[in-house]
Amino acid sequence: AQKVTQAQTEISVVEKEDVTLDCVYETRDTTYYLFWYKQPPSGELVFLIRRNSFDEQNEISGRYSWNFQKSTSSFNFTITASQVVDSAVYFCALRSVDKIIFGKGTRLHILP
Amino acid sequence: DAGVIQSPRHEVTEMGQEVTLRCKPISGHNSLFWYRQTMMRGLELLIYFNNNVPIDDSGMPEDRFSAKMPNASFSTLKIQPSEPRDSAVYFCASSLASTGHDEQFFGPGTRLTVL
Repeated sequence: AQKVTQAQTEISVVEKEDVTLDCVYETRDTTYYLFWYKQPPSGELVFLIRRNSFDEQNEISGRYSWNFQKSTSSFNFTITASQVVDSAVYFCALRSVDKIIFGKGTRLHILP
Repeated sequence: DAGVIQSPRHEVTEMGQEVTLRCKPISGHNSLFWYRQTMMRGLELLIYFNNNVPIDDSGMPEDRFSAKMPNASFSTLKIQPSEPRDSAVYFCASSLASTGHDEQFFGPGTRLTVL
């Protein structure tokens, strides 16, 4: 069975702090893809990053960085120097063969 | 270029009525997805199409739900008869490749309220 767990339901941090959102997944497939999406208060989901199961290289994009570790089946997302505009719900998703599963999401509040 | 277009944006209906949600994917995209989002269940994939063909409809809740994609530029999700527990935000998304590993582009969603 496939599963995506985002254990942190809600996180609040003060602006400029760093914050890490956790994502743990389960799959028996050897080829799969992991995604992060952002859902701001406006409601529309926005793609942030995709990783395939053969590429464990970490990625940095501005203040965002992602840590993919197959050994722990985790794909964590870190925001450095958080800003109020980062306040949103963040979803981790797993895609393999014909299945797509989203985690329950982590609601992130950045306090001014 | 326009993104994924969904209509209506809001729908309020009474229990037992038929509801039809519409989606126009991004031109040139080969995959289309329907999702439902609720507080209790989060974001659930209902069905997706590759090249207009339904691939996985295991997420469709029950026979009251049906989805069609008559051509590459249009899809509908129909609920008949609707029930209060169907109240949710329904998202349509599309992606470029039919292999499915491309990122999905989401529409603004349709907020459905069934009274």
